Amino acid sequence: GDSVVQTEGQVLPSEGDSLIVNCSYETTQYPSLFWYVQYPGEGPQLHLKAMKANDKGRNKGFEAMYRKETTSFHLEKDSVQESDSAVYFCALTPPTGAAGNKLTFGGGTRVLVKP
Amino acid sequence: DAGVIQSPRHEVTEMGQEVTLRCKPISGHNSLFWYRQTMMRGLELLIYFNNNVPIDDSGMPEDRFSAKMPNASFSTLKIQPSEPRDSAVYFCASSKGTGNSGNTIYFGEGSWLTVV
Repeated sequence: GDSVVQTEGQVLPSEGDSLIVNCSYETTQYPSLFWYVQYPGEGPQLHLKAMKANDKGRNKGFEAMYRKETTSFHLEKDSVQESDSAVYFCALTPPTGAAGNKLTFGGGTRVLVKP
Repeated sequence: DAGVIQSPRHEVTEMGQEVTLRCKPISGHNSLFWYRQTMMRGLELLIYFNNNVPIDDSGMPEDRFSAKMPNASFSTLKIQPSEPRDSAVYFCASSKGTGNSGNTIYFGEGSWLTVV
């Protein structure tokens, strides 16, 4: 079945540091890839997405490149801010079909930006 | 526009009691999902409806769990009898369309269930 593995646990960058949260996926098909963000007391919300190989998702200074050759979708930002503190989930959906919208999530990575 | 609406937001119940969680998806969305979030297992898909029909319920843990979607604007997730290990945050989510895997899935704020 489909699976997503991402940086485990917590990362603690300081404000202004660069950030990379790794994400790798396994699937027998060509999925769409997503990063969702979750703030305390809220549900996950879409952060960025990429629909096909070599697409780059962008939002609020974050970027992630859909790399089919390495089956990866790493989340990157050049300079983090305190307001970026949240839990980030990498996720995929299979391509078109009855299960096309079914999200499979990674385990989540807590990003806590130190002032 | 209203998002996905879930109720109750918080529920504390005793082991053995029946729990019913409710969800109103975003108007016009025809896919609905129930997810469970725990520290140990992360976000797990329990069941997925499309046009009110259950498509995939392979994530439903056991017979104590059941879900219904009687119409396009309402779904329930029921646990009977509840057990302490069911304590989790239960999210309902919805999206438009089917067959297009790029459609954004919108989550509610969750129902925080504690079974004592």
